[in-house]
Amino acid sequence: EIQLQESGPGLVKPSQSLSLTCSVTGYTITSGYDWSWIRKFPGNKMEWMGYISYSGSTNYNPSLKSRISITRDTSKNQFFLQLNSVTTEDTATYYCARSGYGSYHAFFDYWGQGVMVTVSS
Amino acid sequence: DIVLTQSPALAVSLGQRATISCRASQSVSISRYNLMHWYQQKPGQQPKLLIYRASNLASGIPARFSGSGSGTDFTLTINPVQADDIATYYCQQSRESYTFGAGTKLELK
Repeated sequence: EIQLQESGPGLVKPSQSLSLTCSVTGYTITSGYDWSWIRKFPGNKMEWMGYISYSGSTNYNPSLKSRISITRDTSKNQFFLQLNSVTTEDTATYYCARSGYGSYHAFFDYWGQGVMVTVSS
Repeated sequence: DIVLTQSPALAVSLGQRATISCRASQSVSISRYNLMHWYQQKPGQQPKLLIYRASNLASGIPARFSGSGSGTDFTLTINPVQADDIATYYCQQSRESYTFGAGTKLELK
């Protein structure tokens, strides 16, 4: 069974960096698919942040492009989110999720449970 | 960005049909492929894929869920509604980057 699990600090100070880990079991992230970060803000708006593909290429939401980095550790079957210069507007529940490659297959069939991150001093 | 518009809430009686709509600011169809997908989310849980490419039922999803539409107008139908279906439903497009609707909260009448 494929499972994704997010981990990381629940509280980050403004202007600092937010760093999260997604640990994947039941599937090797280099075997296929795109591996995304998605966040849900208070009030329910959802935003796709970006992905790292099975080959290691990345694609980011243009609205975040200057602040975001998604990397991976293939030996641990994990991928990571780093979001720099956070503000209170980055307070959200962060999910990692899997999607197919390309527009035709870009729906999210497996999700992690989500981790709530609050940006506050 | 392609903006997806959903009604905030829909009240329905158990056993009746629920029709949830999603309108895109521009077409999300390419040829015969309609790049709209639907998710269910319950409080405290992650979203669950229900329908992909407008009308294809995801694995393990009951047949009372169905999807239709093309171009800019799409519909998720639940018939008949069961108590377990009370949740928020999101549409998501993959025609141009990926964006989500704001969600429709399904409530009991």
